Amino acid sequence: GDSVTQMEGPVTLSEEAFLTINCTYTATGYPSLFWYVQYPGEGLQLLLKATKADDKGSNKGFEATYRKETTSFHLEKGSVQVSDSAVYFCALKMNTGFQKLVFGTGTRLLVSP
Amino acid sequence: AAGVIQSPRHLIKEKRETATLKCYPIPRHDTVYWYQQGPGQDPQFLISFYEKMQSDKGSIPDRFSAQQFSDYHSELNMSSLELGDSALYFCASRGEGTGELFFGEGSRLTVL
Repeated sequence: GDSVTQMEGPVTLSEEAFLTINCTYTATGYPSLFWYVQYPGEGLQLLLKATKADDKGSNKGFEATYRKETTSFHLEKGSVQVSDSAVYFCALKMNTGFQKLVFGTGTRLLVSP
Repeated sequence: AAGVIQSPRHLIKEKRETATLKCYPIPRHDTVYWYQQGPGQDPQFLISFYEKMQSDKGSIPDRFSAQQFSDYHSELNMSSLELGDSALYFCASRGEGTGELFFGEGSRLTVL
């Protein structure tokens, strides 16, 4: 079935460091891809998305490019802040059928001052 | 803009009790999804509804049931609660076409 694999956390960085969180997917078709962020004690917030190959999603300094050839959607940020500390979930959604989201296991990011 | 509304936000129950969670989708969204997120876990798909009919089923226990009503709101009914049911329950809604899912803030269930 469709699935998402994320790098395990926690990822621990100092403020202003460069962030990469790897995400790869397996799908029978051409899904839309998403990154969600969950701050402690809060719900899921959509961070960015891409709906087709070579699309780049971006928001709040975060970016991810939909790479069909490597089935990847890695999340990057050039300079992280303490306020970016959260759990990040990569997810896919097929654009036909029931269109439910399939999540990866999440990656916890800890940014220290 | 209106968002997905879930109630209650927090719920504490004893083992073997029942609980009902409610979800009010964004207006004109006809599809509702329920997810369960255990402590430190990723959200797991439980069940979905489209136009008041069950459309897909995931890892929903037999002790749980859900439905979508004529006003498109949905309720998740959980019976014979177990300690392992303690989790954050998310509802999401989607409009027509291939639109994204919009999540509510979640309902946190604690079973003692």
